[in-house]
Amino acid sequence: AQSVAQPEDQVNVAEGNPLTVKCTYSVSGNPYLFWYVQYPNRGLQFLLKYITGDNLVKGSYGFEAEFNKSQTSFHLKKPSALVSDSALYFCAVRAILMNTGFQKLVFGTGTRLLVSP
Amino acid sequence: SQTIHQWPATLVQPVGSPLSLECTVEGTSNPNLYWYRQAAGRGLQLLFYSVGIGQISSEVPQNLSASRPQDRQFILSSKKLLLSDSGFYLCAWRKGGQDIYGYTFGSGTRLTVV
Repeated sequence: AQSVAQPEDQVNVAEGNPLTVKCTYSVSGNPYLFWYVQYPNRGLQFLLKYITGDNLVKGSYGFEAEFNKSQTSFHLKKPSALVSDSALYFCAVRAILMNTGFQKLVFGTGTRLLVSP
Repeated sequence: SQTIHQWPATLVQPVGSPLSLECTVEGTSNPNLYWYRQAAGRGLQLLFYSVGIGQISSEVPQNLSASRPQDRQFILSSKKLLLSDSGFYLCAWRKGGQDIYGYTFGSGTRLTVV
């Protein structure tokens, strides 16, 4: 079954420093991977996705993610963190429901990013 | 452009009371619709999904039900709420067919059962 793992409950980084939020995946076939961000009491906002093509995917708000097939990873990165980046980040993978062929997203447990001034 | 509306934003309900959360999508037709629940501010669990009017599938057994009376309307319901139904409920839609289409989430409903 498709799954993603986010090994860090929380990541702390100082403003201006680079940040990385880790995600590893387990899928059969080609992975379709996503990153979403959630601010307090808000819905999820799409950041970026990897379907095919370049391993480095650029997304919203200056974020990017690197797809690494050999390490089955899809880490989220940003060269210079902002205090406003503090939020909950979710990695997700597309899964196909075998009985219906329907698609759904399977989410990781989330990583809280805290950027200090 | 497509938009998704979800209401109410917050809800406090007593145990045993009924529930109705509504989600509507504008600017598209025949979307794939989803209800997710997020417990304790963390992982999201898929509750229901729908590929068309009247077509509902459940991912996990629970105290909730879903309906899709119109193409772009998705309703989450319960006849009698339990304390364990508390959580943050998110509706999402996706254009069916091609894998390149992403998922768009509503702003969520915070449900507290007391």
